[in-house]
Amino acid sequence: DGGITQSPKYLFRKEGQNVTLSCEQNLNHDAMYWYRQDPGQGLRLIYYSQIVNDFQKGDIAEGYSVSREKKESFPLTVTSAQKNPTAFYLCASSIQALMNTEAFFGQGTRLTVV
Amino acid sequence: GQQVMQIPQYQHVQEGEDFTTYCNSSTTLSNIQWYKQRPGGHPVFLIQLVKSGEVKKQKRLTFQFGEAKKNSSLHITATQTTDVGTYFCAANYGGSQGNLIFGKGTKLSVKP
Repeated sequence: DGGITQSPKYLFRKEGQNVTLSCEQNLNHDAMYWYRQDPGQGLRLIYYSQIVNDFQKGDIAEGYSVSREKKESFPLTVTSAQKNPTAFYLCASSIQALMNTEAFFGQGTRLTVV
Repeated sequence: GQQVMQIPQYQHVQEGEDFTTYCNSSTTLSNIQWYKQRPGGHPVFLIQLVKSGEVKKQKRLTFQFGEAKKNSSLHITATQTTDVGTYFCAANYGGSQGNLIFGKGTKLSVKP
């Protein structure tokens, strides 16, 4: 099946630990995105990547890092520098960022930091 | 950065009533997309509007893009319990970045 997969669905971490969220797509999409969703806040863009080995900061990149070594993969690391990391994280992809085509979302990872 | 305002934040309706959510931008949009997120789920693409004054329909859903390409609306006729969820608009301002700016969403609840 073609799609975008995030894992794990739920993740618990202790405060001060870095954690990496996985995002894989087999849609052959060039563009990939990471959003954070908090209640009443909608979706806020953390990072996006238009092509392999390139990525750009979104509106709330502080405390996060990403890599795009392969077209299929766009992992997000939530570092200890992120002040309030507990949230629902959504990964998405689209054919090309510049073509403004629809975004396909993964199922999301709910991260809880205790 | 760019912002798109979406109202209302919440809407509670009786089954069979109509529902409308609005998105507004202070600057002209390249295009606008609409997504639906069911409770506990992830956003799913509904439609994209590109042309000034464009109107598109999907069964009971009607999407409009303003003449100035600064606002958009989603109207649901005769809501059903299956319409429950949060509806987001996602604005694209064009340019070299090509990323989507999401509104905060309108959470729709439908009372049977």
